[in-house]
Amino acid sequence: DAKTTQPNSMESNEEEPVHLPCNHSTISGTDYIHWYRQLPSQGPEYVIHGLTSNVNNRMASLAIAEDRKSSTLILHRATLRDAAVYYCIRHGGGGGSQGNLIFGKGTKLSVKP
Amino acid sequence: NAGVMQNPRHLVRRRGQEARLRCSPMKGHSHVYWYRQLPEEGLKFMVYLQKENIIDESGMPKERFSAEFPKEGPSILRIQQVVRGDSAAYFCASSPFVADTQYFGPGTRLTVL
Repeated sequence: DAKTTQPNSMESNEEEPVHLPCNHSTISGTDYIHWYRQLPSQGPEYVIHGLTSNVNNRMASLAIAEDRKSSTLILHRATLRDAAVYYCIRHGGGGGSQGNLIFGKGTKLSVKP
Repeated sequence: NAGVMQNPRHLVRRRGQEARLRCSPMKGHSHVYWYRQLPEEGLKFMVYLQKENIIDESGMPKERFSAEFPKEGPSILRIQQVVRGDSAAYFCASSPFVADTQYFGPGTRLTVL
């Protein structure tokens, strides 16, 4: 049980921002929120993670709700190369057994030129 | 710093043969995880190893599958007497610490004829 809920699919236009939501209402206080993505025919790729505060890196931003029951991955300008399945994963003290990641179905992001 | 390496990238076996999949973690990473992705499905955790020790094998099928991570050399996922249902992509990931960010390899795509 992934214990996160994401929309099955989303569409975006190239060079527009994309907001990918994730609900994790039963998250424990020690779980981090990790985002990975999987491009077609490739292995998963780490995107970003956070605990309580919003986070930014060169790939994306992560906005975490104050109650930590939801979060949003933000791609500031989508490119065709961002078309992938995006996974929101609870990871840490309560998210998985001994550190393994529990993948749900993720959100399949399509980017239109 | 080279990423996680897996070989072979593609492996074809006939029913009843053995399959050996290799994974070299990133330099400095002592935690290795194996995941399986069946066609059109999500990734499922199989086993977590830390140098010479199996920490969690709760996702491994009870028979025919085994994994090791010797003191020297790559981690090996071994599947004996393969069946058609074993056809899948097998991904290895590594991390420097438990419950830390995991870095994935490109995967081994196993086809059982």
